[in-house]
Amino acid sequence: NAGVTQTPKFRVLKTGQSMTLLCAQDMNHEYMYWYRQDPGMGLRLIHYSVGEGTTAKGEVPDGYNVSRLKKQNFLLGLESAAPSQTSVYFCASSSLVEGSRTEAFFGQGTRLTVV
Amino acid sequence: RKEVEQDPGPFNVPEGATVAFNCTYSNSASQSFFWYRQDCRKEPKLLMSVYSSGNEDGRFTAQLNRASQYISLLIRDSKLSDSATYLCVVNGWAGTALIFGKGTTLSVSS
Repeated sequence: NAGVTQTPKFRVLKTGQSMTLLCAQDMNHEYMYWYRQDPGMGLRLIHYSVGEGTTAKGEVPDGYNVSRLKKQNFLLGLESAAPSQTSVYFCASSSLVEGSRTEAFFGQGTRLTVV
Repeated sequence: RKEVEQDPGPFNVPEGATVAFNCTYSNSASQSFFWYRQDCRKEPKLLMSVYSSGNEDGRFTAQLNRASQYISLLIRDSKLSDSATYLCVVNGWAGTALIFGKGTTLSVSS
């Protein structure tokens, strides 16, 4: 049982380049999330999805786009990378049981450096 | 007011000490509450859920006060291995997302 898998785990981009981070979960969870974590800032929500074909903005959505074409996958895109997007990116998924959200399971993170 | 607020610490305690972390949340409609643990450069992992009646898991006790919108985590008999960052997490109704506090850093020394 893989849980939540993120690819790639490390990446170095040049300013202006684009890339897509992939998150895959095999737990049939409805909800998926993308966060970024920077020193002293905690986990900040970028975008999230409450189901296949739906996405919503989080706290820091600018410069990112997302898609959830399949329930098990949640993609995070950077169209034109900037040094300010250097961060550790975490994907997570969770479910809904009797009106309450279950715990979230996290991927191992993607360490992105933009130079 | 931030949605979830925590004292960032750091808390530096000796082995065997009891330490308490506090967290406040702003959305009175929140329904689910958790404490997560994060080790350096690793992904967050669930420590325990927080229930209205309070709950205990070994040396860890979590409390929820809905009226005050306050969550706490008590760690008894601290171990060196408890050194980590502890994250308070609050969920809302369906359609809203997981909201994390910035975390409280604990360092346990021998």
